[in-house]
Amino acid sequence: KQEVTQIPAALSVPEGENLVLNCSFTDSAIYNLQWFRQDPGKGLTSLLLIQSSQREQTSGRLNASLDKSSGRSTLYIAASQPGDSATYLCAVRSGGYNKLIFGAGTRLAVHP
Amino acid sequence: DTAVSQTPKYLVTQMGNDKSIKCEQNLGHDTMYWYKQDSKKFLKIMFSYNNKELIINETVPNRFSPKSPDKAHLNLHINSLELGDSAVYFCASSHDRGEQFFGPGTRLTVL
Repeated sequence: KQEVTQIPAALSVPEGENLVLNCSFTDSAIYNLQWFRQDPGKGLTSLLLIQSSQREQTSGRLNASLDKSSGRSTLYIAASQPGDSATYLCAVRSGGYNKLIFGAGTRLAVHP
Repeated sequence: DTAVSQTPKYLVTQMGNDKSIKCEQNLGHDTMYWYKQDSKKFLKIMFSYNNKELIINETVPNRFSPKSPDKAHLNLHINSLELGDSAVYFCASSHDRGEQFFGPGTRLTVL
């Protein structure tokens, strides 16, 4: 049974810092992995999708890496800004299953 | 243009009532989903439809019945609402097993 864990659960940093959010999963037979952000009271916004055959994906100040064999993904945020404050969710789609398994999220606060 | 839309955004109702939530996507996707986010903010899949056919039904009580009239719509009907059904319900869509896009959510409160 696939389980997804995100560490840390919460993070508070000053503006301008580079930071790393971690995601681990128990079954390495994944189809893809998706990172989302969720603002309070809002829906989920897709940030990056990494296919199982890829090692990383980049979008602006965001870079996500995937190491399937060790069951890990990291989301790197460069030069953090207060507008980055949100909950970041990692979700894994296991091979053969048409659903996402979510982690509990990392709540990020970037203060000026 | 809203890619995945849900109505209503808020739903407050009494225990025992029946209610429906509607979802529409204009992305041309063939797969749609319902997720539930509980009070601890944990997101869990409920149902998945591919080309109007139910492909995932995760141990959800029979009181919950999804209906997909066409590929662009997936509605969720809930009978005999209970206090424990209070949550935020999200609709999502994707092209097969590709990137999933989520709606804004429906916050259901059962009194």
